[in-house]
Order: sequence, then structure tokens, then C-alpha cells
Amino acid sequence: ETGVTQSPTHLIKTRGQQVTLRCSSQSGHNTVSWYQQALGQGPQFIFQYYREEENGRGNFPPRFSGLQFPNYSSELNVNALELDDSALYLCASGSTSGGFNEQFFGPGTRLTVL
Amino acid sequence: AQSVTQLDSQVPVFEEAPVELRCNYSSSVSVYLFWYVQYPNQGLQLLLKYLSGSTLVKGINGFEAEFNKSQTSFHLRKPSVHISDTAEYFCAVRENTGNQFYFGTGTSLTVIP
Repeated sequence: ETGVTQSPTHLIKTRGQQVTLRCSSQSGHNTVSWYQQALGQGPQFIFQYYREEENGRGNFPPRFSGLQFPNYSSELNVNALELDDSALYLCASGSTSGGFNEQFFGPGTRLTVL
Repeated sequence: AQSVTQLDSQVPVFEEAPVELRCNYSSSVSVYLFWYVQYPNQGLQLLLKYLSGSTLVKGINGFEAEFNKSQTSFHLRKPSVHISDTAEYFCAVRENTGNQFYFGTGTSLTVIP
């Protein structure tokens, strides 16, 4: 059973640019959630995808968007990057058969915005 | 909105001593409760979870936690810590009416030899 993988591991962008982060869910999982973890903080929920549609969103602006593909891989897109977007971005996959009760996290992508 | 408070940002403890990491939450509805551990440069690993039933739950690596509904707490304990327990620990809550996890700000546990 493969775990949750994310790419790239590190990324440096400049303010105003756009970025795409990728996640490959654990085998058998059909939900994927994205979190932003700023330095010294706990993860903050960005949104969740289920059946390729957004299924809940946290307090993040529309320039944060996502996609879920039929093979349950996922993308997080962030437009018009701001310095405060610098953070560790975590992807977590889960299964509806588990009642959304458990999420398996990937190692994260460290985004630095200069 | 749901909030999760981890009262101690840093906890130093000597090897083989007991430890308790505190977590309180605010919610007027039923919740599910979780503790995650994060090692440097890694993602989050589930230590244990409370969904229902017995309020004392046991997890991996010898950790356990007790759900106290009246005090809205879910404190994590280990009777004897090891050097390898040095990590960041996060408490998380999910309301049974939603799918969003709310995390605390984390407690940095440092085990001193």
C-alpha cells in the first residue's frame, strides 16, 4: 500500500506568480484535503475534494483553487502569490467508508515566496 | 467557529519521565478528537483518535489520551518518554456535522537525556 506523496518537496516563487502543487492520494482513498501550515502554527484547512468537486472550504480566498482527478490525484493552485503564502502545504487523503474520520498526510511541499 | 487550544507551546521533559500534553477545544456539538505527531521535515502521523465509546484511548508508541466532555479536553499522556518522542504534537478536532479538521498550534516536546 503506497502512502500519500507530494511534489515538489520545495519550491521558491516570487510575489505575484502562480504555483501548482501536486498530491497523490493513498490507494483506495477518495477524498483529498489541503492544509496550509505556517511556521510555528498548526495546519489550517484550505479545502477538501470528493468526487472531483470541492466539498468544504476554509477561510481562504478564491485565488486558492484545486482539482481532483479521476485517479484521486490532486492539485492545489495558488494565483497572485503573496509573501504570507510562504508555508508548508500538506495534502491529506481519506476514505468516505471511514466517515471522514481519518486522514493520512503527505510529507508536504515547502513554498517560499520572495 | 471551532477552536483548539494547546496550552503549552514547549514541554521539556527528562527521558523516562511521564509527560502530559494538554488540549482543550470549544464546540457545542459532538466532536471527534485526534492527536498527530510531526517529526522535523515530515508530514503528520496519527497517534490516536477518539470517535466514541471509552473515553480513554490508546495509540501508537505508548501514548494514550482521555476525553473529558465536561471539561472539553483531550489531554495526551505517556508514562515514560524516550528520546525518539522529541517532536511536535498537534491536537485536532472534527465536528460530527462537518469534514473540516481544526488543529491547535502545536506543542513542541523535547526529551532531555
